[in-house]
Amino acid sequence: EIVMTQSPATLSVSPGERATLSCRASQSVSSNLAWYQQQPGQAPRLLIYGASTRATGVPARFSGSGSGTEFTLTINSLQSEDFAVYYCQQYNDWPPWTFGQGTKVEIK
Amino acid sequence: QVQLLESGGGVVQPGRSLRLSCVASGFTFSNYGMHWVRQAPGKGLEWVTVIWYDGNKKHYADSVKGRFTISRDNSENTLYLQMNSLRDEDTAVYYCARAVGATRWVDYWGQGTLVTVSS
Repeated sequence: EIVMTQSPATLSVSPGERATLSCRASQSVSSNLAWYQQQPGQAPRLLIYGASTRATGVPARFSGSGSGTEFTLTINSLQSEDFAVYYCQQYNDWPPWTFGQGTKVEIK
Repeated sequence: QVQLLESGGGVVQPGRSLRLSCVASGFTFSNYGMHWVRQAPGKGLEWVTVIWYDGNKKHYADSVKGRFTISRDNSENTLYLQMNSLRDEDTAVYYCARAVGATRWVDYWGQGTLVTVSS
């Protein structure tokens, strides 16, 4: 089973600043990685797939990068609606499909 | 637009059974693989099970294998999760989710249904 590890667990950022979230896979997942955003009390929402492709309707301030075992989600100029929990997920080696434990982006 | 509407959650005693349903609309249900993903209170996301578009292939997480069964009725645009021998640790919000190509990423999620296993 591929283990996904996200860091940090919590990231405190001021509105308008940049947030950088990391996701590491225990073995290579190529570019088969997705990022999801989850607001409190809501279902997750797809942000990024293929490590770097934004899903339909996702603002350009969200960008993904990386391949193999190291991935990054960058959120430029944080807006109020961006404060949420973010999960990475690998779909390269399954079952199981595995998620990271999440990074909470909170207001500083 | 794509909509996934789960139902069937509730409070159930340990060892009992429950069946969840997920009604899909806004897309051709029979063309997509579907997952169930759960989230325990205050915890992260945990993949539970997947079924191929035609129902011919299924996979389960080790934590539910032998107890949960995924199925689908493409004529009714409905996904099911039969949960037997429920345990305290199965308490979670259960999301149904549409998969791109069954084995790839999830592009749409339902709003979830809460299952509470408690005596």
